[in-house]
Amino acid sequence: DTGVSQDPRHKITKRGQNVTFRCDPISEHNRLYWYRQTLGQGPEFLTYFQNEAQLEKSRLLSDRFSAERPKGSFSTLEIQRTEQGDSAMYLCASSLAGLGDGGELFFGEGSRLTVL
Amino acid sequence: GQQLNQSPQSMFIQEGEDVSMNCTSSSIFNTWLWYKQDPGEGPVLLIALYKAGELTSNGRLTAQFGITRKDSFLNISASIPSDVGIYFCAGSTNKLIFGTGTLLAVQP
Repeated sequence: DTGVSQDPRHKITKRGQNVTFRCDPISEHNRLYWYRQTLGQGPEFLTYFQNEAQLEKSRLLSDRFSAERPKGSFSTLEIQRTEQGDSAMYLCASSLAGLGDGGELFFGEGSRLTVL
Repeated sequence: GQQLNQSPQSMFIQEGEDVSMNCTSSSIFNTWLWYKQDPGEGPVLLIALYKAGELTSNGRLTAQFGITRKDSFLNISASIPSDVGIYFCAGSTNKLIFGTGTLLAVQP
């Protein structure tokens, strides 16, 4: 399978714990995006990378959230001191070209986080 | 976060009927895309539109990029049960902004 893959698919954790999600984009896609989706809503932008550089972060990305893409390939999204409001589906997506240049965004299956 | 206005919010139709949904924005976008999402899965790209006024088809799906670059519509002809899901529009500049979604239910 050469699509975007995310791990884990599901994570249940207790409030206050740290969690980390991993995303492996489609090979050769230099742009990688993280989105968050809550029930009944569309995906909301969190952050994106071009290669290893983090180019934009949403105001939704609080200080407890950190995303990295150290070698310009896979990315991790860490949430520290989780809160119940962090419960959501975290979606990763990648594109070959910039979206403004006709790039198309391809999504992984998501990582669902439940904070108890 | 910002989301686009998408309507209708939900549709309950009979198999074989045609479906139309649209998306509007107060901002101009360079690209409009339409995605379908099944429960517990990520969105899957259906159609991408790159030019104002562009009309594009993908099988039973047809989508148009509005002339003002602030809106788009998606039509599904002769709906079938597997069309069930949530449809999202998305406009892009350097990132995608998604609509609020249209839930489609198709009765066999």
